[in-house]
Order: sequence, then structure tokens, then C-alpha cells
Amino acid sequence: DGGITQSPKYLFRKEGQNVTLSCEQNLNHDAMYWYRQDPGQGLRLIYYSQIVNDFQKGDIAEGYSVSREKKESFPLTVTSAQKNPTAFYLCASTSAEVRHEQYFGPGTRLTVT
Amino acid sequence: GQQLNQSPQSMFIQEGEDVSMNCTSSSIFNTWLWYKQEPGEGPVLLIALYKAGELTSNGRLTAQFGITRKDSFLNISASIPSDVGIYFCAGQLQGGGATNKLIFGTGTLLAVQP
Repeated sequence: DGGITQSPKYLFRKEGQNVTLSCEQNLNHDAMYWYRQDPGQGLRLIYYSQIVNDFQKGDIAEGYSVSREKKESFPLTVTSAQKNPTAFYLCASTSAEVRHEQYFGPGTRLTVT
Repeated sequence: GQQLNQSPQSMFIQEGEDVSMNCTSSSIFNTWLWYKQEPGEGPVLLIALYKAGELTSNGRLTAQFGITRKDSFLNISASIPSDVGIYFCAGQLQGGGATNKLIFGTGTLLAVQP
């Protein structure tokens, strides 16, 4: 089945540690996105990538980093510089043919204590 | 970053009732999308709208692209318990370019009492 996978579903880290969240898609989509979701708020864009080896900052990129070495993979690293990293992280992708219809993965809930 | 004004924030209804929610903005949008998110899961795309005035249905769901291009509406008819979740609108601004970036509403929480 085609889709977007995010792993793990739940992640716990100690403050001061970097952590990498995985996002993989087998939809052959060109563009991929990372969002952060906090209670009572909409989705906020962290980073996005339209093609391999290229990515752009979204609205809240500080304290995060990404890479896009392969078309199907777009990992997100939450660094120790992120002041409030506990959140629900969502990955999405779109095809070039239906550019605005973003499809989401199941999300990773990160808790930093 | 910009966000859309979505209302109501929450709705608590009886099974069988119809539901209406909307998203508004002071800016013009080229595309409107409606998503449903269940607890602990990613949003699922329900309906996509591409033209002003467009009315599109998906089962008991009907969405409209406002004629001014600054708003969109979602209606759910004859609600059932599995309609429970958070409904998000999302849109792409006119002049948003080829980046496919979407702006999301703050969500409408729907609770359905059997």
C-alpha cells in the first residue's frame, strides 16, 4: 500500500538531546513538508522540500534541521536549541500533478522532559 | 505565520443533526482544502476546491469555495458518532507561487452524542 510512514509514534527525550524524526513516503511525491501541532492551534510549517537536495525554512524553523538526500525520505532533527520541543509532529507530501493536496503521515508525538 | 479564522471552535451535537463550519480570511485564496483529524492521528483530506463558487460533495460532506475567494464552508448532514474529530480548513494564497505552501485554520472540534 502506498502512503506516508512516520516513526516512532511516541518519542521521549531528555532536555538538551537532539532527536531525529523519520518520514518516509512511497507515493513518488516530489514535495515533502514538516509541521508542528500544539493543542488548540492549527498546523505550523517547519520546513519543506520540493526536490531532492533542496529545502526551505517554513514559519517556525528555528531549532530544527532537515535533509532531503532521497526523494522518499525527509527526516527532521529537533535540536537542543528548540526552546519548546514537546509537540505533535506531522509530515506531509504532495505530487507535482495535484500540487496543493497534501497527504499526511500518522504523526510522531515528541515529549521532552 | 498567517492562520485562517475558523468557526466555531467546537460543536457538541446530537446524532442525526446537520453541522456547518466555515473559514474566513482577509486575503484571497486559490485553493481551499478540508481535512479531518482524529485523536493522535494525521489529518485526512476530505475535499479539495479549486474555483470560486465551486460546490463539492463527498458522501454526507459538502464544501463550498466562497464566491469572494476569501472563505469556505463545510457542511455535514445527518451526523453520526464516527464524525467525531477536529476539522481543519487549509488554503493556498493567491500569489503563493509554486511552493504549494498551505495556511491552516485553527480547527473545529466536533463531538457527536449518540
